Amino acid sequence: DTGVSQDPRHKITKRGQNVTFRCDPISEHNRLYWYRQTLGQGPEFLTYFQNEAQLEKSRLLSDRFSAERPKGSFSTLEIQRTEQGDSAMYLCASSLAPDPGYTFGSGTRLTVV
Amino acid sequence: AQSVTQLGSHVSVSEGALVLLRCNYSSSVPPYLFWYVQYPNQGLQLLLKYTSAATLVKGINGFEAEFKKSETSFHLTKPSAHMRDAAEYFCAVSVYGGNKLVFGAGTILRVKS
Repeated sequence: DTGVSQDPRHKITKRGQNVTFRCDPISEHNRLYWYRQTLGQGPEFLTYFQNEAQLEKSRLLSDRFSAERPKGSFSTLEIQRTEQGDSAMYLCASSLAPDPGYTFGSGTRLTVV
Repeated sequence: AQSVTQLGSHVSVSEGALVLLRCNYSSSVPPYLFWYVQYPNQGLQLLLKYTSAATLVKGINGFEAEFKKSETSFHLTKPSAHMRDAAEYFCAVSVYGGNKLVFGAGTILRVKS
């Protein structure tokens, strides 16, 4: 068990560019979550998957955001046409249902310039 | 809808003193409650969780929290602060098996030598 891995750790991009982040959950976990955390705030829920099915999406997840978990293992979060307001830490977490405790990754810090 | 209020965005204590971080929740159904710790530029680490068993929950690093339904509170305590406890602490609530966590805004704990 190597924990939840996120790649990259840091990403600086120009406004208008597309970015993609990857999350590798703990291998036996069937649920995977994406959260966004801005400076001075607690994490905010974006979306979650059970196996490969995306079961819930927050209204925060605009049409520029898309998340996938194609084989029920790793997940990607893509942001198209980035805006400065997208600058944040993007956190991935996983859990094994029905245990309600998550394990978080170290996050990807996105800076849009 | 569920919500969490953390009283005090910053708490400062002396090394060896009692740590008390306050959390009040709002939930229309019995909640699951969590405390997480976050060190700079890292993800969140689970300290402890309440899932409707014992109301006094013991966690890692000497922390504990007590669920008080009548006060809708889940305050985090530690009898004696260490320098390594300096970090940001988040209280979170979830319902329905923990599909989604709602976080408070966080409390930054400073430990003075």
